[in-house]
Amino acid sequence: RKEVEQDPGPFNVPEGATVAFNCTYSNSASQSFFWYRQDCRKEPKLLMSVYSSGNEDGRFTAQLNRASQYISLLIRDSKLSDSATYLCVVNINPEDKIIFGKGTRLHILP
Amino acid sequence: ETGVTQSPTHLIKTRGQQVTLRCSSQSGHNTVSWYQQALGQGPQFIFQYYREEENGRGNFPPRFSGLQFPNYSSELNVNALELDDSALYLCASRRDRGNTEAFFGQGTRLTVV
Repeated sequence: RKEVEQDPGPFNVPEGATVAFNCTYSNSASQSFFWYRQDCRKEPKLLMSVYSSGNEDGRFTAQLNRASQYISLLIRDSKLSDSATYLCVVNINPEDKIIFGKGTRLHILP
Repeated sequence: ETGVTQSPTHLIKTRGQQVTLRCSSQSGHNTVSWYQQALGQGPQFIFQYYREEENGRGNFPPRFSGLQFPNYSSELNVNALELDDSALYLCASRRDRGNTEAFFGQGTRLTVV
């Protein structure tokens, strides 16, 4: 089983819709979790950290389920500019390795 | 901008050659990680340096090596280049080990011909 798994998509979603991605991780010792966004041929950029209690940043909501070992990202009222690849990132302890999923491609359709 | 800079931005090398990629970490960041990202894939962890010592390595052969300097900048060296080494190489810096966020440079796009 891969350390971090994501549905590669693509998700083709009309503008204004709500879309959700899940990501599963295999190592129960994982301590911290992040969502990164990567535009085509650019470097990944931090979108948001994922906290145990869940957190929200504007239209974006991240959730962590430790029991089932998955994290999720919800995007509400999607914009054309949300089109990108969303990377799930897990910090695996005690090795302190930051591991990326392969990413989920999102296309917002006008 | 993230404050992490990589050089060069693009590079073309011939199979069998050696290459050195460079990364300047964000000010105050002592942890640098290197990743290889092939087209359509997520970044793959190569190794990580903390305070000038390697403290984690992914599933890459020994011809991938690195250094971290006292100012926490870092180098990635790849010997005996193969065609499959063609990829985007990303450097990420963190303020410290542990549960801190990583900030990426713009990457070096390496093409091996």
